[in-house]
Amino acid sequence: AQSVTQPDIHITVSEGASLELRCNYSYGATPYLFWYVQSPGQGLQLLLKYFSGDTLVQGIKGFEAEFKRSQSSFNLRKPSVHWSDAAEYFCAVGGFSGGYNKLIFGAGTRLAVHP
Amino acid sequence: GAGVSQSPSNKVTEKGKDVELRCDPISGHTALYWYRQRLGQGLEFLIYFQGNSAPDKSGLPSDRFSAERTGESVSTLTIQRTQQEDSAVYLCASSLASQETQYFGPGTRLLVL
Repeated sequence: AQSVTQPDIHITVSEGASLELRCNYSYGATPYLFWYVQSPGQGLQLLLKYFSGDTLVQGIKGFEAEFKRSQSSFNLRKPSVHWSDAAEYFCAVGGFSGGYNKLIFGAGTRLAVHP
Repeated sequence: GAGVSQSPSNKVTEKGKDVELRCDPISGHTALYWYRQRLGQGLEFLIYFQGNSAPDKSGLPSDRFSAERTGESVSTLTIQRTQQEDSAVYLCASSLASQETQYFGPGTRLLVL
């Protein structure tokens, strides 16, 4: 079955520290992978996506993610976290099942940033 | 330009009542999706519309849930005879075409008492 696992429910980092959020997926075909961020009271905002090509993907707000097929992972990274990065982060996998991009989401990782 | 908008932002209702949630997609986006987000969980796909094609309703949890969309414009999600387990945030997304990035609205937070 297709699924996405985000092992860390909550993560706390200090401002300026590096960040890595983990995402593992199970998908029967070549996956399309996404990271979204959800701030309180806001909708989901796309940080980055991987469809094909270079496995290291750059996104907005200084985020990047690396697709590792052998590990079925798509971890999100940021070298230096800012207080404004505190939010909930969702990894999602999609594919063109039925001719459209049906997204399957992980349960999310809530990031807290200490000053 | 304007993003996806949803109304109401919050809805409190009594068990057994019907509710209607509205989604205004980004202008020109042909594909529209509804998702449900229960507390502490990821998003669950509910339904997908693409132009005038028959919608994919495979994610609707019961026959109390239905959705309509007129052409490539507004969509409404209706929940009949609401139950407490329907309490969640209902998110709408739209995309330029069926294989493009989905853009999400702010959601409607539904609380069934």
